[in-house]
Amino acid sequence: DAGVTQSPTHLIKTRGQQVTLRCSPKSGHDTVSWYQQALGQGPQFIFQYYEEEERQRGNFPDRFSGHQFPNYSSELNVNALLLGDSALYLCASSSPTGGGTEAFFGQGTRLTVV
Amino acid sequence: AQSVAQPEDQVNVAEGNPLTVKCTYSVSGNPYLFWYVQYPNRGLQFLLKYITGDNLVKGSYGFEAEFNKSQTSFHLKKPSALVSDSALYFCAVRDGNTGFQKLVFGTGTRLLVSP
Repeated sequence: DAGVTQSPTHLIKTRGQQVTLRCSPKSGHDTVSWYQQALGQGPQFIFQYYEEEERQRGNFPDRFSGHQFPNYSSELNVNALLLGDSALYLCASSSPTGGGTEAFFGQGTRLTVV
Repeated sequence: AQSVAQPEDQVNVAEGNPLTVKCTYSVSGNPYLFWYVQYPNRGLQFLLKYITGDNLVKGSYGFEAEFNKSQTSFHLKKPSALVSDSALYFCAVRDGNTGFQKLVFGTGTRLLVSP
């Protein structure tokens, strides 16, 4: 059983560019959340998707947007990149409708903005 | 609003000795508490959780955690540390009274187990 998979693993972008990160949830999971982990910090919640809709959002600007597809996979898009967007972006999947309470994380995408 | 405090940036312990990594939390509703471990350049790996029931919960790799409602704490413990336990540990909380799955994490505690 494949766990949560994210792509790409590493990415280098220039300030002002746009980036798309991808996530496939663990089999049987229908909810996907995205987190940003800056160096030396704990993960910060960006937003959560369920049934292809954004259900909850953290304190991130509108430059951060997302999407969930019918197969439950998800994308995170960041526009107008800033140097401060450099971080490890983590995707987590869970299945509240299936009775699950814990989230399972992917290995993350390391984004570097130069 | 939820919050988590991990008061120690780093915990040092000798192999074979017991270890404790501290966590205190604040949540308005019913606390769901979690511990995750992160190895270098990797994502978060689930260790254990407290949802309800017995205050002592057991998890992966011999780790356990004790939920203390009066002290709003959820400390991670292991009776005998291994060098391979050296990693970054995160405590997280979410409000179990809501249907949302948002986790609030602490800043992490680096565990260093010396041979």
